[in-house]
Amino acid sequence: AQSVTQLDSQVPVFEEAPVELRCNYSSSVSVYLFWYVQYPNQGLQLLLKYLSGSTLVKGINGFEAEFNKSQTSFHLRKPSVHISDTAEYFCAVSYSGGYNKLIFGAGTRLAVHP
Amino acid sequence: NAGVTQTPKFQVLKTGQSMTLQCAQDMNHNSMYWYRQDPGMGLRLIYYSASEGTTDKGEVPNGYNVSRLNKREFSLRLESAAPSQTSVYFCASSEAGGLNSPLHFGNGTRLTVT
Repeated sequence: AQSVTQLDSQVPVFEEAPVELRCNYSSSVSVYLFWYVQYPNQGLQLLLKYLSGSTLVKGINGFEAEFNKSQTSFHLRKPSVHISDTAEYFCAVSYSGGYNKLIFGAGTRLAVHP
Repeated sequence: NAGVTQTPKFQVLKTGQSMTLQCAQDMNHNSMYWYRQDPGMGLRLIYYSASEGTTDKGEVPNGYNVSRLNKREFSLRLESAAPSQTSVYFCASSEAGGLNSPLHFGNGTRLTVT
């Protein structure tokens, strides 16, 4: 079955430190990859997406992710985090090209400490 | 500019009671979705509506029904609530079902079934 694995359920980090949130997906011929962020008591917001083209994708709030087909990974990175980045982050994959088949990972809770 | 509005924000039901979760979007989107979010499981699609007048099952449809009342509104009904339906429910919409148009989420309804 197609799946998405977020390898860390929680990631604590100090303010201004770099962070990487890991995401792996089950192999497929074509995949479409997303990262969403959820702040407390809110819905999800799109951070970035990979549909085609350059494997390095830049998103909002200084985040970026790299699509690595050989490793079946789409890790999210930020070189210097802020307290305001504290939130839950979800990786999602579509294998079909439509939102009706979008599969979400379990989420990674990023806690940024002063 | 409200986006996707969900009501109510919170609800407590007893086992066997029924209720309807309401969702409305003001972006003239064609496609609408209902998800549930459970700890450690990410979001799972319950039902979706690709366009006005159509609805289809998602990954976890059992125990739920939906109605696409018009282009703006997409409701989710629990006919006989069970404790396993305790969850946070999110409605989302997109201009079309394809991945080029972003998915917009409401702020969720937190449902507890006792």
